Amino acid sequence: EVQLLESGGGLVQPGGSLRLSCAASGFTFSSSAMSWVRQAPGKGLEWVAAFSGSDGSTHYADSVKGRFTISRDNSKNTLYLQMNSLRAEDTAVYYCAKSGKRITNFDSWGQGTLVTVSS
Amino acid sequence: QSVLTQPPSVSAAPGQKVTISCSGSSSNIGNNYVSWYQQLPGTAPKLLIYDNNKRPSGIPDRFSGSKSGTSATLGITGLQTGDEADYYCETWDSSLSVVVFGGGTKLTVL
Repeated sequence: EVQLLESGGGLVQPGGSLRLSCAASGFTFSSSAMSWVRQAPGKGLEWVAAFSGSDGSTHYADSVKGRFTISRDNSKNTLYLQMNSLRAEDTAVYYCAKSGKRITNFDSWGQGTLVTVSS
Repeated sequence: QSVLTQPPSVSAAPGQKVTISCSGSSSNIGNNYVSWYQQLPGTAPKLLIYDNNKRPSGIPDRFSGSKSGTSATLGITGLQTGDEADYYCETWDSSLSVVVFGGGTKLTVL
């Protein structure tokens, strides 16, 4: 059974940093594309970043490019999202999502972790 | 403003059929596969349809997907109160090199 467990969310001041983690199990993590998708309170889904499972490439939404960094440790089956220069508009539930070979088509999701950016 | 356009809400009676549209362009829907997700209140999204019209195991055949040109459609037949949820379309945008979601459609089963 695929399991994705996010952690690392919390309250942070504007301009601060936070690192999210997603512990994966039940599938071949190293060959799967993985993404972070967020959802601001009462709003829709917004894709944030992806790490390809095939060529190691990374992709970012314009709204986070230059501030967020996605990475993975295949030896620990863990996905990360380093978030710097946080803004109030980054406040959201952040989901870890698994794909197959392609970056799109998220077949499994974690339960989400809440990030609140506020002074 | 989302790259993919969905109606904010749809409604229908139990047992009826409803369709949810997702409109895009040649850089996204027109040349890439579309997926659909269901998000029940307070829960994480769940994959309903992938590759335009395929259902993951465990998804009932009441749910169907189709694509024509730069638009995609999710169909749900035999509506149940448990289908009340937000529904999102998603695809890759080749021009922007990003994943794009529709703004979401809230389904109410009256």
